[in-house]
Amino acid sequence: GEDVEQSLFLSVREGDSSVINCTYTDSSSTYLYWYKQEPGAGLQLLTYIFSNMDMKQDQRLTVLLNKKDKHLSLRIADTQTGDSAIYFCAEFDTGGGNKLTFGTGTQLKVEL
Amino acid sequence: ETGVTQSPTHLIKTRGQQVTLRCSSQSGHNTVSWYQQALGQGPQFIFQYYREEENGRGNFPPRFSGLQFPNYSSELNVNALELDDSALYLCASSLGTEEAFFGQGTRLTVV
Repeated sequence: GEDVEQSLFLSVREGDSSVINCTYTDSSSTYLYWYKQEPGAGLQLLTYIFSNMDMKQDQRLTVLLNKKDKHLSLRIADTQTGDSAIYFCAEFDTGGGNKLTFGTGTQLKVEL
Repeated sequence: ETGVTQSPTHLIKTRGQQVTLRCSSQSGHNTVSWYQQALGQGPQFIFQYYREEENGRGNFPPRFSGLQFPNYSSELNVNALELDDSALYLCASSLGTEEAFFGQGTRLTVV
């Protein structure tokens, strides 16, 4: 079955880069997503990468995909206090419905 | 703003009761998925509706059921509520298999 794992916490100083890591198991995933969740809120789609890509950059966000190791990372450049949130990676799975399988989330804390 | 709206935002129910949660999908989207997010966990897939038909189901019992209407809005019904059903219920809409956009969720508390 599918399993997506993330580290639980990450603390960085404002202005530094943050790197959030994720491993997944379903090699047939076509898309991999990053979502952001602020306290008491729903999920905000940040970015996604197609499985035949190695890297995608979108302003301060860089996604790296190592398909051989099934490893996905999200780098946030110049991290700001407003980036403090929980970040979820998710793999898109077409088996049993077109569903997203989420990791447990990484809580990013940005300190001054 | 994703254009996906859910109601109500918060709800308190008693064990054994039934609840209906509602979701209006983003304009132009024909697919609605429901997820349950327990405290401190990632969202778990409940089921998906595509053009009014169930299009996949996660590992949830039959007391979790749903509907999709001709305007692509959707309902999630949960019967015989249990304490463990307390969670944030998230609705996501998409156009087929394209990226999913989530609503703000309904916080359900079962006492």
